[in-house]
Amino acid sequence: ELKVEQNPLFLSMQEGKNYTIYCNYSTTSDRLYWYRQDPGKSLESLFVLLSNGAVKQEGRLMASLDTKARLSTLHITAAVHDLSATYFCAVDTLGGSQGNLIFGKGTKLSVKP
Amino acid sequence: GAVVSQHPSRVICKSGTSVKIECRSLDFQATTMFWYRQFPKQSLMLMATSNEGSKATYEQGVEKDKFLINHASLTLSTLTVTSAHPEDSSFYICSARSPGYGYTFGSGTRLTVV
Repeated sequence: ELKVEQNPLFLSMQEGKNYTIYCNYSTTSDRLYWYRQDPGKSLESLFVLLSNGAVKQEGRLMASLDTKARLSTLHITAAVHDLSATYFCAVDTLGGSQGNLIFGKGTKLSVKP
Repeated sequence: GAVVSQHPSRVICKSGTSVKIECRSLDFQATTMFWYRQFPKQSLMLMATSNEGSKATYEQGVEKDKFLINHASLTLSTLTVTSAHPEDSSFYICSARSPGYGYTFGSGTRLTVV
């Protein structure tokens, strides 16, 4: 059974600081997704990582994937209040068109002035 | 980009009644639909997977007779919560998958059973 572990689960940051959220998973997969969720809302897709060594950046967020270590990271640079949300990683169980997504528990990020 | 329309966004129903939630893929054909449930401050839990024209596959612990899923066409899937009880109150989210579009999530339905 695929397990996805995220840490930390809660993260309180000051504006301007950097931090990294980690996502470990237990079985082989080469597709990993990062989502953002605001309170009361559905998921907003941030990144899709499809191969070992993939790195994607959008604004102050950068995601990477190491399939050999079964680890993905979401790095936050110079945090701003607007980044406050819950971030989920999700791993595609079988890849291609046959799998489904298994989610981590989420990281609730709070960015304070 | 791909859009999945989910309705209603909020619904309040009385205990014992049934509620239907719809998800439509607007500009693509969804070969597979997923239904998730999310309790407050928790992650998304997969309830069931449905392929167009086939019976849904339910995850362990999800009652198939209580959560009826119909995926009659490549653009529409419905989840009916039958004989709803307060413990069914939750945030329900659908997701559609199709080749070339990956996973697209609906906007969610907040169900409150009183």
